[in-house]
This record gives sequence, structure tokens and C-alpha cells, in this order.
Amino acid sequence: EAGVAQSPRYKIIEKRQSVAFWCNPISGHATLYWYQQILGQGPKLLIQFQNNGVVDDSQLPKDRFSAERLKGVDSTLKIQPAKLEDSAVYLCASNPGGRPEAFFGQGTRLTVV
Amino acid sequence: GNSVTQMEGPVTLSEEAFLTINCTYTATGYPSLFWYVQYPGEGLQLLLKATKADDKGSNKGFEATYRKETTSFHLEKGSVQVSDSAVYFCALRTGTASKLTFGTGTRLQVTL
Repeated sequence: EAGVAQSPRYKIIEKRQSVAFWCNPISGHATLYWYQQILGQGPKLLIQFQNNGVVDDSQLPKDRFSAERLKGVDSTLKIQPAKLEDSAVYLCASNPGGRPEAFFGQGTRLTVV
Repeated sequence: GNSVTQMEGPVTLSEEAFLTINCTYTATGYPSLFWYVQYPGEGLQLLLKATKADDKGSNKGFEATYRKETTSFHLEKGSVQVSDSAVYFCALRTGTASKLTFGTGTRLQVTL
């Protein structure tokens, strides 16, 4: 089966600019996650969707980050305006339900200069 | 809350050496436990998992046993290869609707 697709793979922007990332989960997976992985650290959950509803966004900096999952399939994560500390890899993952593990995409590496 | 503690890296081994990466956890409820591997420039790949006490997960020569009494899930491999060089993450999940909680990762470097 096709894996989790993310784009772009790399993005460099200046601080205060905006950026958007896209994720297409594995077909049929109801749960979708966005994680932020800062260099040298483990991934940290930003937001979790169940179909197109938000389950957990407690760690999402809502003053600058937003995410949506229209029609319960694809998802976009946006940062506006970006700060230097947002430099990280943004990982999308999905889970089919009924299984404990999540499946990850290759990630988008964001550099804010 | 949930947390995962991994041994700090980097771990540097010669090829064919024995590998152990320690992982302990704290969880509310009864977690499922995972090891994920991240090769340079790649996303996370599931390496192995265990969903109940005393289960042993295994894959590609790697093994880890779910030890509830010591709240541990240590990763082992009897003979590492250069191709095993990567960052290894221990993770847990409680309940089928909750998030994965990760450790900070352990970088493994295997040399000839």
C-alpha cells in the first residue's frame, strides 16, 4: 500500500513569512497526526485529527499555527508568521484504527532564517 | 502523564558487536510500546512493537521485551551492521485513540 505522502520535503523561509505543509495519509486511515521534531529531540505532537475532527491540539501554538483536515482525508498545517524556533522537521502520521502503531511520512524540513 | 526515557547517545559500536539501548517509561494506563528507527534524511519507520506484558517484539534481528515490572522496553541486537546506523526512538501509546509519546532518541553509529 502507498505510504503517507508529504510535501514539500524541504522549505527555507525568512522569519515572519508564512508557510504551509501538506499531508496525504494512507487510504482509509481515520486518524492523522502532525508532529514537530526539533533537531536532537523526539517528535512532539502538535495536533491529532479523527476523520475531520480535532482530538488533541493542546500543544499547538494557536497564535501562529493552524491545521485543517477537510473531508477527513488530506491535511494542511500552516505557520503564520514563522519564528526562528519553528525550524524543525514536521512529520505527518496516520493510523487505521484498531492497531496501535502509527505510520509516518518522510517529513518536511523547515528552516527559518 | 506519559513519558519515555532513553539512554543518551551517541552509541558507537564496531560491526558485529552486541547492541543494547535502554528505554524506560511512565504511563497512565496500560501502554503499547514501540521502537521506531529514523535513517538520515528519512521519516520514522516502525521497527517493532509489543502490546502486552512479556510480549517480545522482533524485526530485522532486533528484539525488545515488554517488562511491566521494571517499566522497560530495552532494544537489543546480537550483531550490528553498518547499515543499522540510525537514530532509534522508543515510544508508547495508551489507548487506541491517543498520541504516541516519544523518547529523545539514541543515535547509533556502527563502524567497520
